[in-house]
Amino acid sequence: KAGVTQTPRYLIKTRGQQVTLSCSPISGHRSVSWYQQTPGQGLQFLFEYFSETQRNKGNFPGRFSGRQFSNSRSEMNVSTLELGDSALYLCASIDSSYEQYFGPGTRLTVT
Amino acid sequence: QKEVEQNSGPLSVPEGAIASLNCTYSDRGSQSFFWYRQYSGKSPELIMSIYSNGDKEDGRFTAQLNKASQYVSLLIRDSQPSDSATYLCAVSTAGNMLTFGGGTRLMVKP
Repeated sequence: KAGVTQTPRYLIKTRGQQVTLSCSPISGHRSVSWYQQTPGQGLQFLFEYFSETQRNKGNFPGRFSGRQFSNSRSEMNVSTLELGDSALYLCASIDSSYEQYFGPGTRLTVT
Repeated sequence: QKEVEQNSGPLSVPEGAIASLNCTYSDRGSQSFFWYRQYSGKSPELIMSIYSNGDKEDGRFTAQLNKASQYVSLLIRDSQPSDSATYLCAVSTAGNMLTFGGGTRLMVKP
């Protein structure tokens, strides 16, 4: 069974730009969640999607948004990038037992 | 006050010993508890989940949950140098939203 895939794996952007990250969950999983990991703040929840609906949202500004498609693939978008948005962005695929399996992540660097 | 607390370590144990990792959480309504292992430069990997009070064993790993004391622990028996990593405790308080502790760095010395 294929694992969680995230693209791109690495990204360098400039302040003020926007970025879109993609996640494909494990086949059969209908729910995905997104997290941001930084050395200072650790792992923080961004949002969760199930069947194309956002079910939970973390404490992040409106510049962070996401969506889920009918095939369960998900994207997250960050607009007007700031230096502090530099982080590892992780997508997790959620199974029917509520266990979350992380993808390899996208490392975003904002310069 | 952080919602999920872990000692940052490093916790150093000799090869073959038992490593004991601890986690406390503040929300009494928490229902699901998870331990993840994260190697440097990699994403977190799920080791164990536990949902009810008591012990749950999987190979060399045992998770222990005490909801009255709001305490979760992970025991690693026969620790190996390959177990050296950061161990993250995660607690689910609202649906599938996980709140993570800061992690404990474990070092297993040959």
